[in-house]
Amino acid sequence: DTAVSQTPKYLVTQMGNDKSIKCEQNLGHDTMYWYKQDSKKFLKIMFSYNNKELIINETVPNRFSPKSPDKAHLNLHINSLELGDSAVYFCASSQATTGDRVDIQYFGAGTRLSVL
Amino acid sequence: GQNIDQPTEMTATEGAIVQINCTYQTSGFNGLFWYQQHAGEAPTFLSYNVLDGLEEKGRFSSFLSRSKGYSYLLLKELQMKDSASYLCAVRDNAGNMLTFGGGTRLMVKP
Repeated sequence: DTAVSQTPKYLVTQMGNDKSIKCEQNLGHDTMYWYKQDSKKFLKIMFSYNNKELIINETVPNRFSPKSPDKAHLNLHINSLELGDSAVYFCASSQATTGDRVDIQYFGAGTRLSVL
Repeated sequence: GQNIDQPTEMTATEGAIVQINCTYQTSGFNGLFWYQQHAGEAPTFLSYNVLDGLEEKGRFSSFLSRSKGYSYLLLKELQMKDSASYLCAVRDNAGNMLTFGGGTRLMVKP
């Protein structure tokens, strides 16, 4: 059973298009995240979403918007795609820290987005 | 903000020991994580340190010195399958947000 699953795995599209990436976790976690990993392999947090509270990395353009229909899903919508959006996008989830338990983030397999 | 530095690449021999260093400068600190990422795959959790000292998990150990802003990941009895990128990540004390370093690409040779 896949704990954190993303679709699609590959996405090739034209500049200016609008696209969505879906993420689902079956771990019962209450926090989900979106990361972007660029060509230099830097993994950067974009959003954190917990119980309808959205924390946004201020460097993320407002063309990117996360949408969470329920606790197990966090989708990423991207409007007016640009060449610089080409990257691998990772979804992750974690359970809030309680007591001695560490809130380990579990990652999906990634979505490789290519904007032409 | 957070600034995290790791060597870009390292090479080691199968069966040997390798130490991957990570230094950080942060405005807040609430734990340091190490992740392993094979090419084209998702990062997977390896270890976590929040207090100073050494955490050992089988062939992998991780060390933290908060006063020095320094951590290392120690891999013993290297295997070919250990060839991967190793990512150091710091959690701030505002929440669960992780800031990752650029990763260290480790190549294990026969």
